[in-house]
Amino acid sequence: HLLESGGGLVQPGGSLRLSCAASGFIFNNYAMTWVRQAPGKGLEWVSVISYNGDSTYYADSVKGRFIISRDTSDNTLYLQMHSLRADDTAMYYCAKVPYGDYANAFDVWGQGTMVTVST
Amino acid sequence: DIVLTQSPLSLPVTLGQPASISCRSTHSLVHSNGNTYLSWFQQRPGQSPRRLIYQVSKRDSGVPDRFSGSGSGTDFTLRISRVEADDVGVYYCMQGTHWPEWTFGQGTKVEIK
Repeated sequence: HLLESGGGLVQPGGSLRLSCAASGFIFNNYAMTWVRQAPGKGLEWVSVISYNGDSTYYADSVKGRFIISRDTSDNTLYLQMHSLRADDTAMYYCAKVPYGDYANAFDVWGQGTMVTVST
Repeated sequence: DIVLTQSPLSLPVTLGQPASISCRSTHSLVHSNGNTYLSWFQQRPGQSPRRLIYQVSKRDSGVPDRFSGSGSGTDFTLRISRVEADDVGVYYCMQGTHWPEWTFGQGTKVEIK
């Protein structure tokens, strides 16, 4: 089970931190990702972090502005977002990667948290 | 970049009839390990996406056997043998062969006639 939170309305240029609380599986064993969906649009992968946090990757659209991290003590995934732009407006989902199987990612999804960037 | 193109983008279907969605990739999705990593996701109205199929044809746990995936190389298909009302939603293909640059198709909206 994955439960996202932290979304909301933010002004362009602002920052926001999203959280994803994991339960029902051994969080420390799995890589985790963020995927977003702009209103009425398709799915876009945003970022991934390895099971131990040592490796991270970002889509070009967010590189240098977003930071993915995880806290194993409370089974939570984070996405720190800076320099937000209108085109970052989207529903943000966290999704799990099967054990060591990045190519078959996104086997479990959260319900999403909405981020709106607007004045 | 790997681009996945789905067709059709809209698919009106009659209850009980079959449905088919195509997904074409600009690049081969055969991994160096010989496997092909093409998945299909269902997103019902107002819900999160749910994975149905992975590695072209493997069904996820709990997915009805009405759903099947096939294809190879750059051409893939999701088939629903007999459409039910519960199948309404948008379906996405996704490639994982070239991770971490995962990419999704644009989506195909399935609706009942």
